[in-house]
Amino acid sequence: AQRVTQPEKLLSVFKGAPVELKCNYSYSGSPELFWYVQYSRQRLQLLLRHISRESIKGFTADLNKGETSFHLKKPFAQEEDSAMYYCALMTGGTSYGKLTFGQGTILTVHP
Amino acid sequence: GAVVSQHPSRVICKSGTSVKIECRSLDFQATTMFWYRQFPKQSLMLMATSNEGSKATYEQGVEKDKFLINHASLTLSTLTVTSAHPEDSSFYICSARRGGANTGELFFGEGSRLTVL
Repeated sequence: AQRVTQPEKLLSVFKGAPVELKCNYSYSGSPELFWYVQYSRQRLQLLLRHISRESIKGFTADLNKGETSFHLKKPFAQEEDSAMYYCALMTGGTSYGKLTFGQGTILTVHP
Repeated sequence: GAVVSQHPSRVICKSGTSVKIECRSLDFQATTMFWYRQFPKQSLMLMATSNEGSKATYEQGVEKDKFLINHASLTLSTLTVTSAHPEDSSFYICSARRGGANTGELFFGEGSRLTVL
């Protein structure tokens, strides 16, 4: 069965500092990975997906199949980045859209 | 962007009663929707996949008679918690898939908080 692990429940950094949110996965198939963000009192929203290889709000994430990781990085954190971040793995086939979420990491960026 | 709406956002009920939560895709058709459950400060756990016009597919360990799912139209899926008990208190979140069977983008509802007294 697939599994997503986010080892850090809480992560605190100061504004302007680099930030890395860790995510590791286990899945026997070809993984499709996502990062979702949930700001305070808002719904879950997509931040980025590995197949797009894009940078959103300064965040990037690279899929490393050898290390089975998909860490989220930003070189200079901003206060507005404070939120809950979830790494998620999607399984495909006829059930495309089923997401397995990690436990989430609460990021706090201090001024 | 696409919007998924859940109703009600909060509901309090007495133990033993049934509660229905609606998930609507407001500006797109969704043949597939997903229901998740989130415990406080914990991850989202997939409960079931809701398929328009057919039976829902439940994840292992989820009681289908307890959590009834109906996907009667392309824009509406409902989750009914039957004979609710305090341990059913949780945050229930739906997502809807916009796009094709092997593609598409997921959009999440704002969630519904159920409290069973």
